[in-house]
Amino acid sequence: KAGVTQTPRYLIKTRGQQVTLSCSPISGHRSVSWYQQTPGQGLQFLFEYFSETQRNKGNFPGRFSGRQFSNSRSEMNVSTLELGDSALYLCASSWSGGDNEQFFGPGTRLTVL
Amino acid sequence: DAKTTQPPSMDCAEGRAANLPCNHSTISGNEYVYWYRQIHSQGPQYIIHGLKNNETNEMASLIITEDRKSSTLILPHATLRDTAVYYCIVRVGNTNAGKSTFGDGTTLTVKP
Repeated sequence: KAGVTQTPRYLIKTRGQQVTLSCSPISGHRSVSWYQQTPGQGLQFLFEYFSETQRNKGNFPGRFSGRQFSNSRSEMNVSTLELGDSALYLCASSWSGGDNEQFFGPGTRLTVL
Repeated sequence: DAKTTQPPSMDCAEGRAANLPCNHSTISGNEYVYWYRQIHSQGPQYIIHGLKNNETNEMASLIITEDRKSSTLILPHATLRDTAVYYCIVRVGNTNAGKSTFGDGTTLTVKP
């Protein structure tokens, strides 16, 4: 079956703009998590959605937000972009949480100029 | 979630077993040990996980000590394609499972 897909794969924005990234989980998976990866901070958890509800949240400012739709697809939005938001944004899906493994997508590479 | 400690880098000869250690001395009884790897510029790939028993799958074996304070990921016959950053994480097996705390990982370099 198809893996986790993320769109777009690459994105260039300027400071102050906003951006929306999309993630389609593996069919049947209801949990979607988002991570930010930068050379300096490594892989950091942003938030997790399960059945259209945010279930966990990391330590990121309110400029970072997300949502999940009834078909489990998820979007994350970053408003008022800063240079430091340049990163690889990864989405991961799992069936429900518990001890289920997460499957990661290829990521969206965001560059803020 | 408990914190993990891994060596920053390791080398392994192609064809030999790669043994990657991980310390998780503050692990709780309901926390699982997961291993992922990330090949440059790709998303992390799930390898294996376990609670307290040793586990084996087609990719690797996971050995967890009896006190659960450390574990070892074993790649039995490393190939050049196994060169990657390997992450050991511990995660509660309940509704917090969607939240994984990644450390810096171990960069494994498999050499011919």
